Amino acid sequence: AQTVTQSQPEMSVQEAETVTLSCTYDTSESDYYLFWYKQPPSRQMILVIRQEAYKQQNATENRFSVNFQKAAKSFSLKISDSQLGDAAMYFCAYTGTASKLTFGTGTRLQVTL
Amino acid sequence: DTGVSQDPRHKITKRGQNVTFRCDPISEHNRLYWYRQTLGQGPEFLTYFQNEAQLEKSRLLSDRFSAERPKGSFSTLEIQRTEQGDSAMYLCASSFGGGQVYEQYFGPGTRLTVT
Repeated sequence: AQTVTQSQPEMSVQEAETVTLSCTYDTSESDYYLFWYKQPPSRQMILVIRQEAYKQQNATENRFSVNFQKAAKSFSLKISDSQLGDAAMYFCAYTGTASKLTFGTGTRLQVTL
Repeated sequence: DTGVSQDPRHKITKRGQNVTFRCDPISEHNRLYWYRQTLGQGPEFLTYFQNEAQLEKSRLLSDRFSAERPKGSFSTLEIQRTEQGDSAMYLCASSFGGGQVYEQYFGPGTRLTVT
């Protein structure tokens, strides 16, 4: 079975600074997709960024980028120029041949002034 | 399109009662997923539908749980004889289906409290 591990329960970053959230996963599949989802307090989960495993190039979406290390099974999220609105729970998620998402336990990100 | 909607948003019930939740997906989406999220954890997969067919069920989905999607549009999740361990946020998501992996769009969830 696939597993996703997020070892940082909480992280804090100052506004305008950069923060990196860690994620590792375990799978025997060769074709899979990885995601970072954001869940603001009392609001619904939204997709931040996705990465296809067959792509060597790291995905970027504006201030959000990933460092995908396939051999190490590592998938970290970098948030640049952090904003107050970035404060949320961030979940790393995996999907392979099955359609379901397997999530990590999440990292709570605080953004301070 | 207003996105994925769920009803009710909150439900408090006594142990042993039955509860039913509804999910309305994005209209063009033919896949619909149910997840359960307990405090401090990530969502865990329960089941999913492609159109009206239920294609996969998790081991988490005990006999007390049943899900339907009768016309391939909205879905219901029923929990019979609720237990305190059923207290959680129940999330619904929808996506396009097919050969590619499409983004899952999540609803706001139904928070269930079993007293």
